[in-house]
Amino acid sequence: EAGVAQSPRYKIIEKRQSVAFWCNPISGHATLYWYQQILGQGPKLLIQFQNNGVVDDSQLPKDRFSAERLKGVDSTLKIQPAKLEDSAVYLCASSLKGGQKYTEAFFGQGTRLTVV
Amino acid sequence: DAKTTQPNSMESNEEEPVHLPCNHSTISGTDYIHWYRQLPSQGPEYVIHGLTSNVNNRMASLAIAEDRKSSTLILHRATLRDAAVYYCILRSPANKLVFGAGTILRVKS
Repeated sequence: EAGVAQSPRYKIIEKRQSVAFWCNPISGHATLYWYQQILGQGPKLLIQFQNNGVVDDSQLPKDRFSAERLKGVDSTLKIQPAKLEDSAVYLCASSLKGGQKYTEAFFGQGTRLTVV
Repeated sequence: DAKTTQPNSMESNEEEPVHLPCNHSTISGTDYIHWYRQLPSQGPEYVIHGLTSNVNNRMASLAIAEDRKSSTLILHRATLRDAAVYYCILRSPANKLVFGAGTILRVKS
């Protein structure tokens, strides 16, 4: 089966510019996650969607970050304006959710963002 | 979110078993224990999960303490390809997947 697709793989922008990342989850997966992973740290959950509704965005810096998941499938994460400290790998993941059954999450390869 | 505590790093010899510990003293009755690993330059990948009973799959075994306050991921024969960061995660009823710092596993040939 096809995995989680992310694009672009790499992006270099100047500070104060804007950038967008795209994620296509595995077909049928209702739950979608965006993570930020700074070098040497574990992934930090930014936002979690269940279908096209937001379940948790408590760690999302809402003054500059936004995310949407139209029609409960693809998702985009945007940063505007970018800061130097936003340099990180942005990971997208998806999983099934059915009642109390917890299934594994599948991760994409990530987008490596460098802000200069 | 309930927290987990793992050693920063561990080292193993190739072909030997590895026991990766995780403490989760504040686990609630509905939290599942999940393990993921992250190979260099890749996204995390699922390894195993359990609730109360020990679990085995093709990748590893998960031993869960009777009081559920700790667990151990067991790699039966470590290979160089098992060198990665291993994350122990408590998955809440809200289906959140919150990562800690993990344990860096180094495998020596």
